[in-house]
Amino acid sequence: SAVISQKPSRDICQRGTSLTIQCQVDSQVTMMFWYRQQPGQSLTLIATANQGSEATYESGFVIDKFPISRPNLTFSTLTVSNLSPEDSSIYLCSAWGDRGHQETQYFGPGTRLLVL
Amino acid sequence: GQSLEQPSEVTAVEGAIVQINCTYQTSGFYGLSWYQQHDGGAPTFLSYNALDGLEETGRFSSFLSRSDSYGYLLLQELQMKDSASYFCAVRDWKGNTPLVFGKGTRLSVIA
Repeated sequence: SAVISQKPSRDICQRGTSLTIQCQVDSQVTMMFWYRQQPGQSLTLIATANQGSEATYESGFVIDKFPISRPNLTFSTLTVSNLSPEDSSIYLCSAWGDRGHQETQYFGPGTRLLVL
Repeated sequence: GQSLEQPSEVTAVEGAIVQINCTYQTSGFYGLSWYQQHDGGAPTFLSYNALDGLEETGRFSSFLSRSDSYGYLLLQELQMKDSASYFCAVRDWKGNTPLVFGKGTRLSVIA
């Protein structure tokens, strides 16, 4: 299994500023993922972060807006830049863990962002 | 790409059984997963099916038919605490790609 923590748990930001979200996993993992979830909606993948390489972004998400760092096998950050009210959402960090023949994806508790 | 369809809402009575269906379309297929999410909480893993058939874990069971691109989550002996959103999710054949989630089914358990 993998236990994932995120900081901050929530924040209120002014438009035009940036917020950096930290994600820590209690074990070494090859791949980490960042999702966004609007209240009552599904999870949308933002990007995949591998240690030692550039993050891979999904359609509709760009590095300038969502820069990601992955300095080691247990840690990643997501920055949401030039904030606008449309960025208000829950941001979730995720990573694979293995369970025998199964492969489970674990999630952090999320960061609730409100942009004013 | 992938797409998943599941009902948006389901209501069931405490103690009853409820089935949440999921159909998917994907260019490849590595397995179907189910996640539970309570309001304000993180998604938590419930079950995973890579092969056809039924997987049982306590009160929860999950079924997969690869030929029909269909699966379901079965919740038995419903409890009030089972009120939550349930998401089906798939990975493509590469196996090293993250989950893509359905829109979720909001289950309300009533007395």
